[in-house]
Amino acid sequence: TAGITQAPTSQILAAGRSMTLRCTQDMRHNAMYWYRQDLGLGLRLIHYSNTAGTTGKGEVPDGYSVSRANTDDFPLTLASAVPSQTSVYFCASRAGQGDTGELFFGEGSRLTVL
Amino acid sequence: GQNIDQPTEMTATEGAIVQINCTYQTSGFNGLFWYQQHAGEAPTFLSYNVLDGLEEKGRFSSFLSRSKGYSYLLLKELQMKDSASYLCAVRDSNYQLIWGAGTKLIIKP
Repeated sequence: TAGITQAPTSQILAAGRSMTLRCTQDMRHNAMYWYRQDLGLGLRLIHYSNTAGTTGKGEVPDGYSVSRANTDDFPLTLASAVPSQTSVYFCASRAGQGDTGELFFGEGSRLTVL
Repeated sequence: GQNIDQPTEMTATEGAIVQINCTYQTSGFNGLFWYQQHAGEAPTFLSYNVLDGLEEKGRFSSFLSRSKGYSYLLLKELQMKDSASYLCAVRDSNYQLIWGAGTKLIIKP
């Protein structure tokens, strides 16, 4: 089973350009999340979606947008990248209500904004 | 504010036992998680505690004291493959996860 697939694995982007990080899961999980991970900091939630058709803002949403048109896909878009968005981005999913809350993570997308 | 504290780095010897501590101050509590993350890889789930006490799973055990805002992850019979970062996370009253910065565990032969 593929689980969660993220693309691209890594990307170098010029400041001011737009970029979409793709995330697809095949586990039919209801909830999906985007985190960024920076050295010395815990994972920080950017945006989340509890079910298809709904999204919400996390701890650090500014400069990012998401959509959840269906259960499987949860893309993250940077409209105009800035150097402070250089980070490793992880997409994650959770089965939903009634589960322990275990998150399943994709392999990550390493983004460098110059 | 909400805060999760765990040591930045620990070193242990292959075959030994190591305890990684996590203390938290959060708005409410709805469970504590431990994840393992090898360098350059995704975090993977290790354990979940919602009630006080010890949860054992093979070589790994996790302990929780809600009154003290404290948890630890105990790793026994350490193997070189246990070299990784260990992330502590608490689910608060809004069911949002608050993450610690992680503890990098270095295993020496």
